[in-house]
Order: sequence, then C-alpha cells, then structure tokens
Amino acid sequence: SQKIEQNSEALNIQEGKTATLTCNYTNYSPAYLQWYRQDPGRGPVFLLLIRENEKEKRKERLKVTFDTTLKQSLFHITASQPADSATYLCALDGATNKLIFGTGTLLAVQP
Amino acid sequence: EAEVAQSPRYKITEKSQAVAFWCDPISGHATLYWYRQILGQGPELLVQFQDESVVDDSQLPKDRFSAERLKGVDSTLKIQPAELGDSAMYLCASSPRLAGSTDTQYFGPGTRLTVL
Repeated sequence: SQKIEQNSEALNIQEGKTATLTCNYTNYSPAYLQWYRQDPGRGPVFLLLIRENEKEKRKERLKVTFDTTLKQSLFHITASQPADSATYLCALDGATNKLIFGTGTLLAVQP
Repeated sequence: EAEVAQSPRYKITEKSQAVAFWCDPISGHATLYWYRQILGQGPELLVQFQDESVVDDSQLPKDRFSAERLKGVDSTLKIQPAELGDSAMYLCASSPRLAGSTDTQYFGPGTRLTVL
C-alpha cells in the first residue's frame, strides 16, 4: 500500500542546534516533494519544493534533500530558534497529480 | 500580501444538521482545493477545481458532501447531514496555474468544525 511516514513523535531540540526531520514514502514515484509548516489552528505554509532530479535545495536556514533510491526526504533547520516550533508536513505528488500529505512532525525548540 | 479567505473560522453544529463553508482564493488563481484535516493527521484532499470545473472529487463523500465553484472564483463546501466523524479542520487552498503543476498551494486559515 502507499504510505508517507514522518517522525510520529515530537522532536525536541535545544535552541541553536540543527533539527532534522524525516519523510519516507512507499509505493510512490513522485516528480517532486514539498515541505510545509503548520502552526496550531492555522493552514499550512509552503517552505520548499525539491524535484526528483535535485539532490538538495536550500533557503536561508532551511535545507531539503531528496533521495529517490532510499525514497526519503530530509528537512534540516540550522541554528534553530524557538520561533521554529511548529508542525512540519511533507507532501508529494500522487499518481493523479494531487498532493499527498504526510502526518507531520511536531518540532519543539527549547530556549 | 494576498491571502486565501475562509469563513466561518469556527462552526459548532449538531449531527444531522447542514453546514456550509466558504472560500475566496487569491485573485487570479485558477485552481482551488478543499482539504479535510483530522487532528494529528495531514490534510486530505476532498475536491479540486480548475476554474469552475471539478478535476478530482474521488475522495469526496458524495452522499453528504457537495462543492461548487460556480463562477470559477469563490467556492462553497456543504455537508448535509453532518455526522460526528466530520469533526475536523476544513482547509481551502489555491494555486495559480493548471492542476498537476508544481505550483505552491496557498492555504487559508481553515474552518474548525465540531459536530455534537
């Protein structure tokens, strides 16, 4: 069956450290993968998109990698801040050109 | 900065009642999406419009849910009758171009529905 799996438990890290979030998928062949941030009671906000032919994409303190062999994307936040605390969702294009979202990982950055 | 508007932000209703949610996408965005997000899960697509036409409604429970985008601009999602299991956040999103492109989706703030 098709699955998108993200860290099910909350990730707690200290301010200033690098947060690494994982997105694994099964039985999909996505052309691209997106990462969104969602704060409580709000809609998701787009962060980064990475295509299947790209290994890495960066934006300020954010970095995303995409390994189509491992069927995995890693999302890194360097020099994390308490304001980075949120739920982070990965999403990939499903077979019918629609976004399929993972369950999200809750990140808590402690001051 | 342009935003997707949704109303109401919160809705409490009793089961078997009818509810309706409204979405106004970013001006000029051709594609509009309705998602349902259950607490602790990711958004799940219910219906996708390209202008006024439905592109994908394969996950829409059509016995009780309906959606329309009559003039290809704003949209309404209706549930009748509401069931306890419909309690969730209903998110609207829009994107500029054709369905299936890699365009970013812009989400509204959502409508939190509670069915009692």
